[in-house]
Amino acid sequence: AQKVTQAQTEISVVEKEDVTLDCVYETRDTTYYLFWYKQPPSGELVFLIRRNSFDEQNEISGRYSWNFQKSTSSFNFTITASQVVDSAVYFCALSEDSNDMRFGAGTRLTVKP
Amino acid sequence: GAVVSQHPSWVICKSGTSVKIECRSLDFQATTMFWYRQFPKQSLMLMATSNEGSKATYEQGVEKDKFLINHASLTLSTLTVTSAHPEDSSFYICSARTPGQWEQYFGPGTRLTVT
Repeated sequence: AQKVTQAQTEISVVEKEDVTLDCVYETRDTTYYLFWYKQPPSGELVFLIRRNSFDEQNEISGRYSWNFQKSTSSFNFTITASQVVDSAVYFCALSEDSNDMRFGAGTRLTVKP
Repeated sequence: GAVVSQHPSWVICKSGTSVKIECRSLDFQATTMFWYRQFPKQSLMLMATSNEGSKATYEQGVEKDKFLINHASLTLSTLTVTSAHPEDSSFYICSARTPGQWEQYFGPGTRLTVT
């Protein structure tokens, strides 16, 4: 069974602080995909990144970066120099096959001015 | 590309009535569509998977007679909440996938309130 754990329910930071959102996953498969989504108050999911299990290279996209470590089954997400517009709920998700995507509980990030 | 729409974006209905929610893939053909439910301050939970032209596969605990899913074409899936009750009030999100792809493209969601 696949499982995604986002232990941080809520995080509050002040603008310009860096913040890391944790994601730990469980799977028995060797082939899988990991995702991060942002859900602003409007509710629409915004796709941030997809990473397959064979690609452990960390990725940076502007102020966003992701650290994928298979040894610890973690796929953490860091926002550098956070901004108020980053306030949202962030979901980590795992897909073991193309017909199944399981979401973590989500982390609510509040960035205060 | 890969845009998924949902209609309506929000709906209010009275207890006991039925509500239909549409999910459309606008610029691609989706052989598989997924329906998720999200209660306030909770995560997305998969309700069912539907493949075009066949019956939907429901997750454990989801009543198939209450949540009717139809995927009659490659661009449209519908979810009908029958005899809705206040506890069915939730945010319903659909997603669509093209053949051979892992990526799911999510719709903007439909907020259902049952009074």
